[in-house]
Amino acid sequence: EPEVTQTPSHQVTQMGQEVILRCVPISNHLYFYWYRQILGQKVEFLVSFYNNEISEKSEIFDDQFSVERPDGSNFTLKIRSTKLEDSAMYFCASSEGRVGVGADTQYFGPGTRLTVL
Amino acid sequence: AQKVTQAQTEISVVEKEDVTLDCVYETRDTTYYLFWYKQPPSGELVFLIRRNSFDEQNEISGRYSWNFQKSTSSFNFTITASQVVDSAVYFCALTVEGNTPLVFGKGTRLSVIA
Repeated sequence: EPEVTQTPSHQVTQMGQEVILRCVPISNHLYFYWYRQILGQKVEFLVSFYNNEISEKSEIFDDQFSVERPDGSNFTLKIRSTKLEDSAMYFCASSEGRVGVGADTQYFGPGTRLTVL
Repeated sequence: AQKVTQAQTEISVVEKEDVTLDCVYETRDTTYYLFWYKQPPSGELVFLIRRNSFDEQNEISGRYSWNFQKSTSSFNFTITASQVVDSAVYFCALTVEGNTPLVFGKGTRLSVIA
């Protein structure tokens, strides 16, 4: 069964460093998302991406964050200068985006645990 | 704006007991979609069910069942004859049309004790 994959599973970085989190969405999916979950808290939306551009973003997704689809398979989240409060689990998700279907199911990757020291 | 409330923070049951996880949602949209996801101790988010607002039929899948009631804006999840492997955090989530972001509840941590 197709699944969303994410690398790395765990990333440790120093405050102020740049990190890139990578995702490979399910191959025929058109919508891509990043969410984050601070330890023990709920899952929060960061950004959605469709047709090679951001379709929606939350207040959390400030100028420190950027997303890119550098090729036909990868979808990346970059944090330019990490802060302690960026420590969280980051989930990538994708959905099919079928015409006529109001909202397709979002399937999540296993997550990348980011630890900022 | 949408909102999902999972009032039960933690539930602990003994194996083979039935357990119901509550989910109450708020939205002004007439068309919306509800989901349940399971987050086991390993951390991934596993999709369990999707329900749209115009289909109020309850659903059963093995030991899992879902009760959708628009009148009370609730989408509750029942596990029958719980097992230790059901121990996880369960999230209810909501979205509206247009492949918009999911709004999650805070989750309910279920512990099933052998």
